[in-house]
Amino acid sequence: DTGVSQDPRHKITKRGQNVTFRCDPISEHNRLYWYRQTLGQGPEFLTYFQNEAQLEKSRLLSDRFSAERPKGSFSTLEIQRTEQGDSAMYLCASSRRGQDTGELFFGEGSRLTVL
Amino acid sequence: AQSVTQLDSQVPVFEEAPVELRCNYSSSVSVYLFWYVQYPNQGLQLLLKYLSGSTLVKGINGFEAEFNKSQTSFHLRKPSVHISDTAEYFCAVSPFGAAGNKLTFGGGTRVLVKP
Repeated sequence: DTGVSQDPRHKITKRGQNVTFRCDPISEHNRLYWYRQTLGQGPEFLTYFQNEAQLEKSRLLSDRFSAERPKGSFSTLEIQRTEQGDSAMYLCASSRRGQDTGELFFGEGSRLTVL
Repeated sequence: AQSVTQLDSQVPVFEEAPVELRCNYSSSVSVYLFWYVQYPNQGLQLLLKYLSGSTLVKGINGFEAEFNKSQTSFHLRKPSVHISDTAEYFCAVSPFGAAGNKLTFGGGTRVLVKP
């Protein structure tokens, strides 16, 4: 049973560039979540998908952020025109519908550094 | 909306000593409660959860937590820590009956176990 995988693990970019992160959830999980974690803080919810439908987006997800899950399997999180404030760890998690108890399975995260 | 407060940002503790990590939450609805652990360079891992029933919950690696509804607390304890318990610990809540498993996290408590 493979866990949640994220790619790349680390990304360094210059301000103004676009970046994209990929998340592959646990295969039988139909829910997928994106969180952001800044230094010294707990993870903050960004958005979640059930299958290919994006069901909720946080106010933290500005217009420069877009997430997709086109076939209900892997997901991408794109940040356009990156700013230094976007530097953070982006966490992906998955769960299975019907297990509405809040238990999420997290990947190791993608760390973004914007210079 | 929910909020979670972890009262200690860092807890240094000697090996084989007990440790308690404090967590208080605020919510207008009933919630499920969780503790997640993040070891260095790893993803978040579920330590234990309270869904219903007995207010004393046992988790992995000898940790336990007690739910106190009147004090809206969910403190985590271990009677004797090991060097390997050095990690960051996050308390989180998820509302009953909400679609999806959106978690709200506290700011984390970094535990440093000293020999």
